[in-house]
Amino acid sequence: DTGVSQNPRHKITKRGQNVTFRCDPISEHNRLYWYRQTLGQGPEFLTYFQNEAQLEKSRLLSDRFSAERPKGSFSTLEIQRTEQGDSAMYLCASNPFSYNEQFFGPGTRLTVL
Amino acid sequence: DQQVKQNSPSLSVQEGRISILNCDYTNSMFDYFLWYKKYPAEGPTFLISISSIKDKNEDGRFTVFLNKSAKHLSLHIVPSQPGDSAVYFCAASEETSGSRLTFGEGTQLTVNP
Repeated sequence: DTGVSQNPRHKITKRGQNVTFRCDPISEHNRLYWYRQTLGQGPEFLTYFQNEAQLEKSRLLSDRFSAERPKGSFSTLEIQRTEQGDSAMYLCASNPFSYNEQFFGPGTRLTVL
Repeated sequence: DQQVKQNSPSLSVQEGRISILNCDYTNSMFDYFLWYKKYPAEGPTFLISISSIKDKNEDGRFTVFLNKSAKHLSLHIVPSQPGDSAVYFCAASEETSGSRLTFGEGTQLTVNP
């Protein structure tokens, strides 16, 4: 399978705990994006990387959220001190530079109890 | 502020008929528009796109129309098939924003046999 993969697919955690999600983009895609989707809404942009550089962060990305893409390959999204409002589907997407279409992974569903 | 809006949360059509999904936007800097389809428990799948220099793009049963003066686009599916039943998201991007996508809320399409 050569699509975008995300792990884990589901995560249940207690309020206050830290969680980390991983995204493996399509090989050789140098742009990688993170989005968050809540029930009844479309995906909302969080941040994106071009290779290893984080080029843009949304104001939705509070200081409890941090994303990395070491070596420009896979990426991780960490949420510290989770809150119930963080419960959502976290989607990762990738594309080659100058390509408008983005290719999405299956997402990680986070439930904060 | 919601820069991309899909005012119809749901649409139901008969198999073989035309499905028309609508989308409005407010940001005049958007210059590329995309439609994604999403099945439950999966990430969004790219369907069709259109650049702001065109007013129509066709791919098989799917046609997207863009009316820049009205800031409106629509997706036509002809003929509709039961397998088309899914949530459809309209998305837009500005070249200057690094290709982040701004999504609408989605329209649930149900095609009845």
